Amino acid sequence: DIQMTQSPSTLSASVGDRVTITCRASQSISSWLAWYQQKPGKAPKLLIYKASSLESGVPSRFSGSGSGTEFTLTISSLQPDDFATYYCQQYNSYPVAFGQGTKLEIK
Amino acid sequence: EVQLVESGGGLVQPGGSLRLSCAASGFTFSSYSMNWVRQAPGKGLEWVSYISSSSSTIYYADSVKGRFTISRDNAKNSLYLQMNSLRAEDTAVYYCARDDGSYSPNRYWGQGTLVTVSS
Repeated sequence: DIQMTQSPSTLSASVGDRVTITCRASQSISSWLAWYQQKPGKAPKLLIYKASSLESGVPSRFSGSGSGTEFTLTISSLQPDDFATYYCQQYNSYPVAFGQGTKLEIK
Repeated sequence: EVQLVESGGGLVQPGGSLRLSCAASGFTFSSYSMNWVRQAPGKGLEWVSYISSSSSTIYYADSVKGRFTISRDNAKNSLYLQMNSLRAEDTAVYYCARDDGSYSPNRYWGQGTLVTVSS
């Protein structure tokens, strides 16, 4: 089974900051990686798919990159609505797997 | 508009059973594979089970294999998760999520239903 490791677990940042979250797969998943945003009490929301494709309706300040085993999610200029928890997910093969999450907090 | 609405959660004793349902609308349910994903309180997301559109292919996470059974009724636009031999560690919000085909992420999710396993 493929394991996903996210870092950091917690990230403190300010409005306007540029932040990057990293996700590593235990083996190559090509570009079959998604990023989700989740707010308390809500279902996850798809932000990025196929490693770098922006989901419709998602602000362009979100971007993804990477392939193989190393991936990043970048938020270019943090907005108040962006403080949430972010998860990566590999969907190269079943069992699909999520990273453990990165909680983005206000500094 | 795609809608997924889970139901059937609640409080159950260890060793007990529960059946979750997910009612789908706004799309041709019989054309899509579906998943169950859960989230324990304060924890991350954990994939639980997958079922193909025709029910011909089914997968389970090791943590639930032999205890949970996924099924669907395409005529009723519904997805189910029969959970037996429940344990405290099965306590979680359970989400159903649509699969948009091979090599696709989960674009649509329900709002979740809470299952609490406790005596």
